[in-house]
Amino acid sequence: RKEVEQDPGPFNVPEGATVAFNCTYSNSASQSFFWYRQDCRKEPKLLMSVYSSGNEDGRFTAQLNRASQYISLLIRDSKLSDSATYLCVVNKNNNDMRFGAGTRLTVKP
Amino acid sequence: DTEVTQTPKHLVMGMTNKKSLKCEQHMGHRAMYWYKQKAKKPPELMFVYSYEKLSINESVPSRFSPECPNSSLLNLHLHALQPEDSALYLCASSSREVSGSDEQFFGPGTRLTVL
Repeated sequence: RKEVEQDPGPFNVPEGATVAFNCTYSNSASQSFFWYRQDCRKEPKLLMSVYSSGNEDGRFTAQLNRASQYISLLIRDSKLSDSATYLCVVNKNNNDMRFGAGTRLTVKP
Repeated sequence: DTEVTQTPKHLVMGMTNKKSLKCEQHMGHRAMYWYKQKAKKPPELMFVYSYEKLSINESVPSRFSPECPNSSLLNLHLHALQPEDSALYLCASSSREVSGSDEQFFGPGTRLTVL
């Protein structure tokens, strides 16, 4: 079993759609959790940290369920500029960062 | 300054060459990372330095040799690489003490081609 697993995608959605990405992790002692986005031929950029209480930043909502070892990202009212690869990242222990395989999102007009 | 810089942007080298990749950050971060990323794959962790000491080495071949001369700089020395080592090499930094989180800031990467 992979340490961090994500929906394989790709996701192709129209503008204005709501899209949800899921991620599971295997190490129950993992310390912190993040969503990054990566545009083609660019470096990953932090989208959101993920907390048990859930957190929202504009159109983006992230949730963490430690009991189920599950992380989610919801994007509402998708924009063309949201097209990217979304990476789930887990800090397994003391900066031992593990990336999911990434989910490619394409938002179409 | 919330930037991680990497040089060079692109590097082409032969299998017998020795070269170095450089990474710099001035955010006061105490953890620095090297990742390797192949096309259409996620970044793979190679090395982590914490407080200038190597804390994680993901069984990387010895032809890759990391060095952390000080808290702002991270190098990756390359020697006798193979064509399959061609990839994007990303540097990142983080610091719970500075930002209250382990969130990483990535540099733009060095695109390496081994001939």
